[in-house]
Amino acid sequence: DAMVIQNPRYQVTQFGKPVTLSCSQTLNHNVMYWYQQKSSQAPKLLFHYYDKDFNNEADTPDNFQSRRPNTSFCFLDIRSPGLGDAAMYLCATSRDFSSGILGSGANVLTFGAGSRLTVL
Amino acid sequence: AQKVTQAQTEISVVEKEDVTLDCVYETRDTTYYLFWYKQPPSGELVFLIRRNSFDEQNEISGRYSWNFQKSTSSFNFTITASQVVDSAVYFCALSGNAGGTSYGKLTFGQGTILTVHP
Repeated sequence: DAMVIQNPRYQVTQFGKPVTLSCSQTLNHNVMYWYQQKSSQAPKLLFHYYDKDFNNEADTPDNFQSRRPNTSFCFLDIRSPGLGDAAMYLCATSRDFSSGILGSGANVLTFGAGSRLTVL
Repeated sequence: AQKVTQAQTEISVVEKEDVTLDCVYETRDTTYYLFWYKQPPSGELVFLIRRNSFDEQNEISGRYSWNFQKSTSSFNFTITASQVVDSAVYFCALSGNAGGTSYGKLTFGQGTILTVHP
């Protein structure tokens, strides 16, 4: 089945030790997103890629970076994790939503199962 | 700015009861989309429904139904004859028409934790 796969599902790191979370998709979707969801909170968008174009949210800390080497893969890098970065990180994808095809469900996001990050 | 409010933080019901999850939104966009997602304990957000701002028809899908009222900026979700498997966190979300990639930028409500007891 086509899907969004995140690895690892659980990641434990030490304060300040860099972490990379990965996301792969078999849906061939143009857009990939990274959301951060802290305990008992709503998911918050960090950034997204529209094809190779990177779009950062204004309030996303510089500590968070992303790479998308090809259509199928996207990585979230946390350069120096702090205790406040402990969260579930959700990857999502959606189809191209250029004008005219929104009616086809183009902006429906398909989410992965998430990577839960613990910072010690 | 867009905002989604889910006033019910937690709801607890007994199996077979009907339950309604409330969602109120704010947006200045003329065209926008409303969503409901389900997040079971496994963590994955599962898409349930999308509604655009021009379509106020209510929708029913099995035990699920949605009531969209633009006049009150509400998009409520009802589960009929709830089951234990319905236990999850339910998020209402909104995306606007600021153009280009904004359509995919979801603003989520805080979520409602639904617990269905046997």
